[in-house]
Amino acid sequence: TQLLEQSPQFLSIQEGENLTVYCNSSSVFSSLQWYRQEPGEGPVLLVTVVTGGEVKKLKRLTFQFGDARKDSSLHITAAQPGDTGLYLCAGRTSGNTGKLIFGQGTTLQVKP
Amino acid sequence: DAGITQSPRHKVTETGTPVTLRCHQTENHRYMYWYRQDPGHGLRLIHYSYGVKDTDKGEVSDGYSVSRSKTEDFLLTLESATSSQTSVYFCAIRSSSYEQYFGPGTRLTVT
Repeated sequence: TQLLEQSPQFLSIQEGENLTVYCNSSSVFSSLQWYRQEPGEGPVLLVTVVTGGEVKKLKRLTFQFGDARKDSSLHITAAQPGDTGLYLCAGRTSGNTGKLIFGQGTTLQVKP
Repeated sequence: DAGITQSPRHKVTETGTPVTLRCHQTENHRYMYWYRQDPGHGLRLIHYSYGVKDTDKGEVSDGYSVSRSKTEDFLLTLESATSSQTSVYFCAIRSSSYEQYFGPGTRLTVT
């Protein structure tokens, strides 16, 4: 069974601080997707990383896929209250089904 | 916006009653998925479909069945709801680039 361990589960920080969320697995994934979810809504795709070592930036968010495609990280610089939400990583398994294995999620609260 | 709607958005039902949740997409995607979301578990795959009448089980399929008679509709049925099936249910579609896009969810409470 493939597992994706996400940490930390909860993070409460002040506006302006930096933070990093990690997703780790012993399994290799075809790609890794990061989602952000707000209360009462479905997850919204932020980014997909595909190549080992790939780094993608989305404004103040930096996403990295590990060289071996088993782990990933999300780094937020100078967090703002608008970044508050649940962040989910999801690894795509091999094959055509496109099935995703989700981490447990990180609840981020950014206080003004 | 991936054109995904779910109905109902909220439902309260009693233990032992059947419940059907509907997912509707407007963009003709072949692959559709049903997940449940519970605190501390992220999202877990219940069933998925890879075409009309083609479905397969996910990791938490016990107690659930699905049907797909049209490309645009994917139904999830709880034949006899139990309290352990109280959850938030999400439907998703898969794009041609293997990215998944989610509907707004259905909050189901089984009393």
